[in-house]
Amino acid sequence: DAKTTQPNSMESNEEEPVHLPCNHSTISGTDYIHWYRQLPSQGPEYVIHGLTSNVNNRMASLAIAEDRKSSTLILHRATLRDAAVYYCILNTGNQFYFGTGTSLTVIP
Amino acid sequence: DTGVSQDPRHKITKRGQNVTFRCDPISEHNRLYWYRQTLGQGPEFLTYFQNEAQLEKSRLLSDRFSAERPKGSFSTLEIQRTEQGDSAMYLCASSLYSGAGNGYTFGSGTRLTVV
Repeated sequence: DAKTTQPNSMESNEEEPVHLPCNHSTISGTDYIHWYRQLPSQGPEYVIHGLTSNVNNRMASLAIAEDRKSSTLILHRATLRDAAVYYCILNTGNQFYFGTGTSLTVIP
Repeated sequence: DTGVSQDPRHKITKRGQNVTFRCDPISEHNRLYWYRQTLGQGPEFLTYFQNEAQLEKSRLLSDRFSAERPKGSFSTLEIQRTEQGDSAMYLCASSLYSGAGNGYTFGSGTRLTVV
């Protein structure tokens, strides 16, 4: 069974913010939450990660619920280059557990 | 540093043949992972190495699959007697392990088609 669940697809208008949700109700206290994205015929690319506190970097922000059972990846201004499959992942330390990902379409 | 390299990028083979893929990780990374990804699905864990030791194998890694990482550098993944169900993208990743907060760097994958 997948450790993370995400919507299959989402759409966003260009230059608008995008909120990509993820549920991970079985997360354990030491699991990190990672987000990667993947373009066709490419390997996954790192976006952001966190444990308990919200995180910001130049690509995105990660909001983690207080009970850590869900998180949201925030792209502040979607561009056409952000169109990809976004994976919410639990990192147990020894392996990444991927869900099925959210395919993001950015509309010009 | 050129990142994680995988070779070949594409492989078409006939059912029953053996295939071998190679992964060259980032040089200072001590961990190396293999994942398999089928169309429309997220990557699934196969196995990982810490230096030259293979520390964990998934139940997905049947007896026909074997992975090695001699000298803790590059790694090979061999599939013997390929089946059509083996058709997938095989992804390699590496990391400098110091806990669950470390991210992976993935290669671009080897796409295997078994005909």
